[in-house]
Amino acid sequence: ELKVEQNPLFLSMQEGKNYTIYCNYSTTSDRLYWYRQDPGKSLESLFVLLSNGAVKQEGRLMASLDTKARLSTLHITAAVHDLSATYFCAVDISQTSYDKVIFGPGTSLSVIP
Amino acid sequence: NAGVTQTPKFQVLKTGQSMTLQCAQDMNHEYMSWYRQDPGMGLRLIHYSVGAGITDQGEVPNGYNVSRSTTEDFPLRLLSAAPSQTSVYFCASSSARGVWWETQYFGPGTRLLVL
Repeated sequence: ELKVEQNPLFLSMQEGKNYTIYCNYSTTSDRLYWYRQDPGKSLESLFVLLSNGAVKQEGRLMASLDTKARLSTLHITAAVHDLSATYFCAVDISQTSYDKVIFGPGTSLSVIP
Repeated sequence: NAGVTQTPKFQVLKTGQSMTLQCAQDMNHEYMSWYRQDPGMGLRLIHYSVGAGITDQGEVPNGYNVSRSTTEDFPLRLLSAAPSQTSVYFCASSSARGVWWETQYFGPGTRLLVL
């Protein structure tokens, strides 16, 4: 059974600190996505990681993908309050075409001033 | 561009009623999807479409039907609503898949309560 796990599920951190959110998945995939969701809002696409070793950065967020370890990380550098949100990773388990994209349960991040 | 729009925003149904959730996009995107979001479970794919006239099942398709007669519209039909279908439903679209410029745009969501 395919599982997408995120760790931690809840994270409270102080402004200015660094932290990493982990996304583990249990089947072969070479496409992984990160999304952000604010409370009561829709989802915003953050990163698309398409190959082993892919690294993408946007502002204080950096995402990486290790397909051999079936692991993606979302690193937060010098957190600010505006980063408070729920972050989802999602794994595309199709090998040839748009098929099933399985979401993790989400990591609820709270950045405290 | 309005992006991805969904109607209604909120809906209350009685068990056994049917209804259609509307989704439209004005970005000429080929790919459209329907997800449901339940607390603590992330999003689950219900149905998706890779173009007009082409649809397929996702992770949790039972109890839902879709059709794609135009590029712009991708309605989701609940055939006979059940309390287990109480959820927030999101429609999404993207212009490409599996490429570095891929971006999936989500609609604002429809909150559905089935009594």
